[in-house]
Amino acid sequence: QVQLVQSGSELKKPGASVKVSCKASGYTFTSYAMNWVRQAPGQGLEWMGWINTNTGNPTYAQGFTGRFVFSLDTSVSTAYLQISSLKAEDTAVYYCARSGGGALFDYWGQGTLVTVSS
Amino acid sequence: QSVLTQPPSVSAAPGQKVTISCSGSSSNIGNNYVSWYQQLPGTAPKLLIYDNNKRPSGIPDRFSGSKSGTSATLGITGLQTGDEADYYCGTWDSSLSHVVFGGGTKLTVL
Repeated sequence: QVQLVQSGSELKKPGASVKVSCKASGYTFTSYAMNWVRQAPGQGLEWMGWINTNTGNPTYAQGFTGRFVFSLDTSVSTAYLQISSLKAEDTAVYYCARSGGGALFDYWGQGTLVTVSS
Repeated sequence: QSVLTQPPSVSAAPGQKVTISCSGSSSNIGNNYVSWYQQLPGTAPKLLIYDNNKRPSGIPDRFSGSKSGTSATLGITGLQTGDEADYYCGTWDSSLSHVVFGGGTKLTVL
């Protein structure tokens, strides 16, 4: 069965960096794009962008350029989200989600809580 | 401010029917497929409806989706207490080249 398993919660200080992983299993990793979605505390879903798992080419949504980097390690079917120069407002749950196109996210990771606090 | 507009909350009694609306524009709902997601408290979102009105395997037919013009609707019949969740619509926005979500609707089953 398809599974996306994300890394555990992180507590970071402002200015630090964090790298969240999303390990896929149960399907051919390179057959589907991988998306990242942010959910701030008590807020709705916000699409951060996606990465082409064939080419490794990332596309970032408005507001997620510069400090956010999507990457892959196809040898272990894993996608990564790295956030640098963390700010308090980056505190959120970050989800990876598999997509077959458009806004069709058929499988989601369990989410990774990143807390930024001094 | 979300690009897609949903009511913040809806409520109904067990066994009843409820609808959740999602309003957009020609650059998003009007020309692209809509998906709906259910997010139970403390869990990841789950795909309920895709391509406006299709249900993934395992989703009961109590859940239905429709689209007309620049609006979409999620319908839930035979409400159960286990349906209490946040519901989100999502679609592609051709002008923004961006996936957009509604702000979410909290369903309370009284």
